[in-house]
Amino acid sequence: DSGVTQTPKHLITATGQRVTLRCSPRSGDLSVYWYQQSLDQGLQFLIQYYNGEERAKGNILERFSAQQFPDLHSELNLSSLELGDSALYFCASSVDPGYDGELFFGEGSRLTVL
Amino acid sequence: AQKITQTQPGMFVQEKEAVTLDCTYDTSDQSYGLFWYKQPSSGEMIFLIYQGSYDEQNATEGRYSLNFQKARKSANLVISASQLGDSAMYFCAMREGYGNNRLAFGKGNQVVVIP
Repeated sequence: DSGVTQTPKHLITATGQRVTLRCSPRSGDLSVYWYQQSLDQGLQFLIQYYNGEERAKGNILERFSAQQFPDLHSELNLSSLELGDSALYFCASSVDPGYDGELFFGEGSRLTVL
Repeated sequence: AQKITQTQPGMFVQEKEAVTLDCTYDTSDQSYGLFWYKQPSSGEMIFLIYQGSYDEQNATEGRYSLNFQKARKSANLVISASQLGDSAMYFCAMREGYGNNRLAFGKGNQVVVIP
């Protein structure tokens, strides 16, 4: 158990809909990262937050947004969903962006768009 | 440009044998970190081992060791005494620079351990 909690574990929805994925980082970790894993693109970095502030953006679509709340949990919002958004979405956390070690990953939220 | 390259096809390994998974990377930074993660069929990402670019010794963690060849920009994972539970996808990842803990991942290597 990495200590990172993601909900929901599975989500099935239709095209055009909007979903919210939630992540609670490990106790004490201030930095949260979102990754998307799909068959064709592999593991892609989406966005990073540190202590409530956006720190870095990767290949995140404009239809997607995220935030980190004062209690440090984070939410990833996916809107106007398309079939190609079906993927496994991971949240990871670390103590801070300068931490030299590994990221701790949650178990992922598997999104299926029909 | 792809920063992490993992090109081996799926591998079948006999139980108790060793297996080497190849990873090459591309960076112009002097300071970087290399990681290996395991993803079993259940989907979670499990951290295995870390090598810093300035570490002179190859990293080891139990049955996992990292064969770090800096000049060749390779960071191969060696799993010794394979177990059935080692069947999984294995991902090589890199952190570039300092003050930034974002990881770039390779496409992964599939390993199946057979009894």
